[in-house]
Amino acid sequence: GQNIDQPTEMTATEGAIVQINCTYQTSGFNGLFWYQQHAGEAPTFLSYNVLDGLEEKGRFSSFLSRSKGYSYLLLKELQMKDSASYLCAVRVWGYNNNDMRFGAGTRLTVKP
Amino acid sequence: NAGVTQTPKFRVLKTGQSMTLLCAQDMNHEYMYWYRQDPGMGLRLIHYSVGEGTTAKGEVPDGYNVSRLKKQNFLLGLESAAPSQTSVYFCASIEDRASYEQYFGPGTRLTVT
Repeated sequence: GQNIDQPTEMTATEGAIVQINCTYQTSGFNGLFWYQQHAGEAPTFLSYNVLDGLEEKGRFSSFLSRSKGYSYLLLKELQMKDSASYLCAVRVWGYNNNDMRFGAGTRLTVKP
Repeated sequence: NAGVTQTPKFRVLKTGQSMTLLCAQDMNHEYMYWYRQDPGMGLRLIHYSVGEGTTAKGEVPDGYNVSRLKKQNFLLGLESAAPSQTSVYFCASIEDRASYEQYFGPGTRLTVT
């Protein structure tokens, strides 16, 4: 089966740094994704990792360790608008297959 | 360039009724997906398509059917709606197998009473 786990809720202070962890157990791993979703809106793409290491994009960075089945999303210089749910997702590929599995999401609240 | 659009945005059905949700994309993307999102459960893949005329089952396909007769459209059908199908439905697309950025539609909020 496919298991993707991430914390349900986190709280952080404006201007601080927060790390959201994601662990997964899948077969046919072919990439890990992070999405941001504000309440009542569609998810929007944040980052993609397929090789081990850190990918940096502005205030957001994402890390992957395939051997540990582990990823994290790092948000720096938190802003109030970063309050949202953050979804970890794994792409599983087989022949003619492009399946996507999502975690339940981490609801981040940024406080002044 | 409208991206990914979904029709309708909201719908209320009675148990046993049928309906079709339409997803359209104008980006010439090969891959299209239908997800449902329920509180505390994240997004779950219902069906997907890797090209015109193809469909495949995802994680939770039961009770749904899909068709991809035209490349730009992906239809999700509920033949006999049940209260368990009350959810928010999202459509998404990716350009091709080598791509990684998935574009989502705005969602359809469906209530089955």
